[in-house]
Amino acid sequence: QKEVEQNSGPLSVPEGAIASLNCTYSDRGSQSFFWYRQYSGKSPELIMFIYSNGDKEDGRFTAQLNKASQYVSLLIRDSQPSDSATYLCAVNKAGGSYIPTFGRGTSLIVHP
Amino acid sequence: DAGITQSPRYKITETGRQVTLMCHQTWSHSYMFWYRQDLGHGLRLIYYSAAADITDKGEVPDGYVVSRSKTENFPLTLESATRSQTSVYFCASSDRADTQYFGPGTRLTVL
Repeated sequence: QKEVEQNSGPLSVPEGAIASLNCTYSDRGSQSFFWYRQYSGKSPELIMFIYSNGDKEDGRFTAQLNKASQYVSLLIRDSQPSDSATYLCAVNKAGGSYIPTFGRGTSLIVHP
Repeated sequence: DAGITQSPRYKITETGRQVTLMCHQTWSHSYMFWYRQDLGHGLRLIYYSAAADITDKGEVPDGYVVSRSKTENFPLTLESATRSQTSVYFCASSDRADTQYFGPGTRLTVL
């Protein structure tokens, strides 16, 4: 079992809808959680990070963390075609490690 | 220019040749990383470095060599390239805030 799991998708949503991307992790002591967006042919770029249980909002993006259930999710409200990309979940292990483990990514398609 | 750069952006080589991919960052970040990205595997860590002269293996280090004599540079060498090393290679750097900043990538083809 990979340490960080994501559904590869593609997840297809209509423009204006809410896209929900999910990620589960196996190391219960994980402390830092990140969402990166990667457009086709480009490098990943950070869009959100979350450290504490609960929700964190940044514009149209909301990251949700539930450490008891070991999952982290990303909600994209009012999805736009420009949000079409692969979304990578990354998790840093416990103990102050700055070495993240990445999931394989979920492909999101927002259709007009 | 500020940021993180990789060179070359595209490279075609032959099996058995030595290839070096370069990575340079201008932020003085402590940590630097090399990943490869392949369909179906996502990003896999090859090597990382916590500081100059400190390197360590990641998930898939076999066939690769790294060095870090200066904080800003982190070259990756394929000592004897194999077809299985055909991939897109990303370099990244981070400070102690955990966030990783990725270079533009190098697309390597081994014939």
